[in-house]
Amino acid sequence: DARVTQTPRHKVTEMGQEVTMRCQPILGHNTVFWYRQTMMQGLELLAYFRNRAPLDDSGMPKDRFSAEMPDATLATLKIQPSEPRDSAVYFCASGLVRIAGGLTDTQYFGPGTRLTVL
Amino acid sequence: EDKVVQSPLSLVVHEGDTVTLNCSYEVTNFRSLLWYKQEKKAPTFLFMLTSSGIEKKSGRLSSILDKKELFSILNITATQTGDSAVYLCAGGQGGSEKLVFGKGTKLTVNP
Repeated sequence: DARVTQTPRHKVTEMGQEVTMRCQPILGHNTVFWYRQTMMQGLELLAYFRNRAPLDDSGMPKDRFSAEMPDATLATLKIQPSEPRDSAVYFCASGLVRIAGGLTDTQYFGPGTRLTVL
Repeated sequence: EDKVVQSPLSLVVHEGDTVTLNCSYEVTNFRSLLWYKQEKKAPTFLFMLTSSGIEKKSGRLSSILDKKELFSILNITATQTGDSAVYLCAGGQGGSEKLVFGKGTKLTVNP
């Protein structure tokens, strides 16, 4: 049963600390998305990659957030320094794009990382 | 700016009732409309709709898209307590893989 995995599932940290979240997409999927979910804003797209190349990170605060895909099986999202307003659930999702910009398979979500910044 | 608006924001019904959840969208170069169910964890995929007027069904759930009026509905018949969740609607943009999500409808089904 293929699924997206994320670590850690929960993270509590203090303001100013670095936070790294990891995601393993479904094997064979070529597109990876990072979302943030809060009660106020709902699900917001932070960044996404296709074939490990970043395509859009316009939703991400550039000064403190960074997203990378060191290889096809690992995506990372880092926050440095973290702030209380970063407290949220961070979801990774993966999907398979068969034709660039055309019909796209659905996105499959990981279980999320619940981040609390004190 | 692209947006997806869902209504109602929350809904409380009794088991056995039928519910209709609404989703309207304004998405650049619209390509597809997706529905997800979110319980206390990750959103799980329900439907993807790309053509107007063609109903998709899965058990007691069904959905249809109206591309002229820019909306979709999700119907759940004979609701069960296990249907309690937040239902998310998302619009897919042509030319990219981005999804624009609505804020969701929280459905509570009481026994």
